[in-house]
Amino acid sequence: AQSVSQHNHHVILSEAASLELGCNYSYGGTVNLFWYVQYPGQHLQLLLKYFSGDPLVKGIKGFEAEFIKSKFSFNLRKPSVQWSDTAEYFCAVASGNTGKLIFGQGTTLQVKP
Amino acid sequence: EAQVTQNPRYLITVTGKKLTVTCSQNMNHEYMSWYRQDPGLGLRQIYYSMNVEVTDKGDVPEGYKVSRKEKRNFPLILESPSPNQTSLYFCASSFNDRYQETQYFGPGTRLLVL
Repeated sequence: AQSVSQHNHHVILSEAASLELGCNYSYGGTVNLFWYVQYPGQHLQLLLKYFSGDPLVKGIKGFEAEFIKSKFSFNLRKPSVQWSDTAEYFCAVASGNTGKLIFGQGTTLQVKP
Repeated sequence: EAQVTQNPRYLITVTGKKLTVTCSQNMNHEYMSWYRQDPGLGLRQIYYSMNVEVTDKGDVPEGYKVSRKEKRNFPLILESPSPNQTSLYFCASSFNDRYQETQYFGPGTRLLVL
């Protein structure tokens, strides 16, 4: 069965620190990869997505992610986090012929001012 | 404004009392789905619909029903809620069911079943 694994469940950083959140998926075919963010009390918003082409994808608010096919990974990065980045981050994979998203468990990021 | 709306946003109920959570989108999307979010489990799909009158089970459909009589609406029905259905529920929609499509999420409905 397809699955998505996020290695870090809870990350605490100080402002200006660099961020990398891990995401691995298990599926051998063509996949489309997403990172969603959920700010406290709000709904999920799309940060970035990868369908094809350049494996380094840039999203909103300075986030980027790199698709490494050989490692089945799609890690999220940001060079310098801000307090406003405090949120829960979800990696998701869509594959096959449907729009069904398989989500990871989520990573809670807490940024200290 | 393009959006997915859900009602109610918060609901406290008792075991066995039927309830309906409404979901509506104004983007003329064909594909709609319901997810539940539980700590440590991420989001899991309950049901989805590829178009009017076309629905199918997701990963955790037990205890839930859905209907899609109109393109814009996709209500989630709990015929006899139980405490294990206490969760945060999200409705989502996308243009179609192709996997490239971005899904847009509603604000969530927090349900507590006593």
